[in-house]
Parts: sequence; structure tokens; C-alpha cells
Amino acid sequence: QVQLVQSGAEVKKPGASVKVSCKASGYTFTNYGIKWVRQAPGQGLEWMGWISTYNGNTNYAQKFQGRVTMTTDTSTNTAYMDLRSLRSDDTAVYYCARDQTSSSTDAVDVWGQGTKVTVSS
Amino acid sequence: SYELTQILSVSVALGQTARITCGGNNIGSKNVHWYQQKPGQVPVLVIYRDSNRPSGIPERFSGSNSGNTATLTISRAQAGDEADYYCQVWDSSVVFGGGTKLTVL
Repeated sequence: QVQLVQSGAEVKKPGASVKVSCKASGYTFTNYGIKWVRQAPGQGLEWMGWISTYNGNTNYAQKFQGRVTMTTDTSTNTAYMDLRSLRSDDTAVYYCARDQTSSSTDAVDVWGQGTKVTVSS
Repeated sequence: SYELTQILSVSVALGQTARITCGGNNIGSKNVHWYQQKPGQVPVLVIYRDSNRPSGIPERFSGSNSGNTATLTISRAQAGDEADYYCQVWDSSVVFGGGTKLTVL
């Protein structure tokens, strides 16, 4: 079945970086882009960016420009999200999610299980 | 930047119809998607492109979009429908509404 499996929870100190992985299975990885969305405790969904798994093109939310890098490894069908200079307000659950179609403007229909990132000194 | 406005909470009696709105400037010209997120769970797509249901989503869930308001309608509401609901559009980037908590009484 189609699924996205993310890496495990992380605890980081302020100023550090975190890299979350998202391994896809059950479909042709390069046919659908990946979006990254985060959710702070008790808060709503926040879009971080998108990556084309076909050619690596990215589109980052302005808020995260310069601090986030999204990449893919098509040999392992894995997407990665690297967030640098972590602050306490980066504490959140980070999700990867698959585009429903080949268009990045469409909905996402498959979500990873989420990766909890805690930033604390 | 584009903004989506959702009411914080909506209550509905068991078996009645719940309507959750999502406001945005000329939202009727955009494709609206809706996600359901139950406590402690991952979001689930329930409506895409205004009014389409993914496979596995009950027919009780429907959507509409016109003018400045998109609406998610849940007919014959069940206890299991209690969740946060988020609308989402694309406007040069992904935009989420703030979410609406649905309580079934």
C-alpha cells in the first residue's frame, strides 16, 4: 500500500539543525511531489515547502527561506527536510505528505506519521 | 499574502448537519481542499477541489465553493466526526485556514 514512513523523534538544542526523512513506498516516487507541513503543539497546520521528486525543484514558504533545505534521494525513494538554526518555537510535529496528482498546486492525499521535533536547552 | 478564515469551533447535534466555512477573498476562483484531523492523528483529506471525495470518505461529507466562502458540509453527523477541520488552497504557495474544531453533541 502507499505509505510514507518518517524518521523518529528528535530533541535538539537551540541553534542546532535537524534532518527529517520520509521514505515512500507503494508507488512510483518520482511521479508525485512531496510537501512538508508542521504543527506546533495545540496549533494548526503550517506549510513549509514543496519538492519535486522528479527534478528536485523546490518551493519554500517565505517564512523558512534560508533556513530550510528539502532534498530527495530517488535511489531510496526518500525525501528529506533539513531545518537549521532551530529555535524553541520550531518545536512541532513535522509531516511529509504526497501530492495527490503530478501538480504541486493540488491537495495532498497521503501523509507520513509525523516526526516530533523538540527544541530545548 | 492570501488568508483563509475559519471559525474556531462549531457544534452540531448527533445526526444533524454541520457546516464548516472557510472565508477568503474570491475563494470561489480557487480549488479548496479540506482535511480532517482527529486528536493525536494524522490529517486526512476528506474533500479535494471544492467538492470531490477521495475513495473511502463517506458520502455524508460534501463541499461547495462560491464567492468568498467555501463550505464543508457533514450530514448526519456522528460522534466519530469530532475533529479539527482545515481548509487549504494554493495561492503561489500552500495556504491553510486556522482550523475549526467540530463538536458533536
